[in-house]
Amino acid sequence: DAGITQSPRHKVTETGTPVTLRCHQTENHRYMYWYRQDPGHGLRLIHYSYGVKDTDKGEVSDGYSVSRSKTEDFLLTLESATSSQTSVYFCAISESGTDAADTQYFGPGTRLTVL
Amino acid sequence: AQSVAQPEDQVNVAEGNPLTVKCTYSVSGNPYLFWYVQYPNRGLQFLLKYITGDNLVKGSYGFEAEFNKSQTSFHLKKPSALVSDSALYFCARWEGFQKLVFGTGTRLLVSP
Repeated sequence: DAGITQSPRHKVTETGTPVTLRCHQTENHRYMYWYRQDPGHGLRLIHYSYGVKDTDKGEVSDGYSVSRSKTEDFLLTLESATSSQTSVYFCAISESGTDAADTQYFGPGTRLTVL
Repeated sequence: AQSVAQPEDQVNVAEGNPLTVKCTYSVSGNPYLFWYVQYPNRGLQFLLKYITGDNLVKGSYGFEAEFNKSQTSFHLKKPSALVSDSALYFCARWEGFQKLVFGTGTRLLVSP
């Protein structure tokens, strides 16, 4: 999985609790992404980062925040989890976000269940 | 219009037979297209991509894809399917700065 780890791999939590997912890369790639995967929707971009402390919103960013204090780590936080955020979350990395020839590589995913 | 579409939720094929997983794209913009595969409980793995050049793109694990501009398609193909090819396949399109848009996925089942 291209030098990308995600933690935890599985998590069950209750509605209203905060949750933080971690993505760690060893490739020293500049760009990092958080996606969620839901049946019938494929993968949808939540947030992305183009450098340390540089982040921006994706297609489905409501209810999520991110932080990147080091090149290798990208955190996704659900401030107050809701059942609609039950999903599988994938982190991805790429060397360049602006080059069409660049490829995104994905981590193993985190399965989150919000009860 | 949807950027990329995968018209089949599931494709069934017998081992040893050729397989095709379909993907079509909307006409607007540059067709920078990708195929990914997801095995159970794993992340997405990159298979191949089309940026420019030869319409037949060869990728990992014996897969290839044919870019067809007149039919706005980018179908994934393999001459002889293996049971181990059973997985979820995603077509995706790069739409510019940080934006990779995915299709809804096609489940491939290869029977022995």
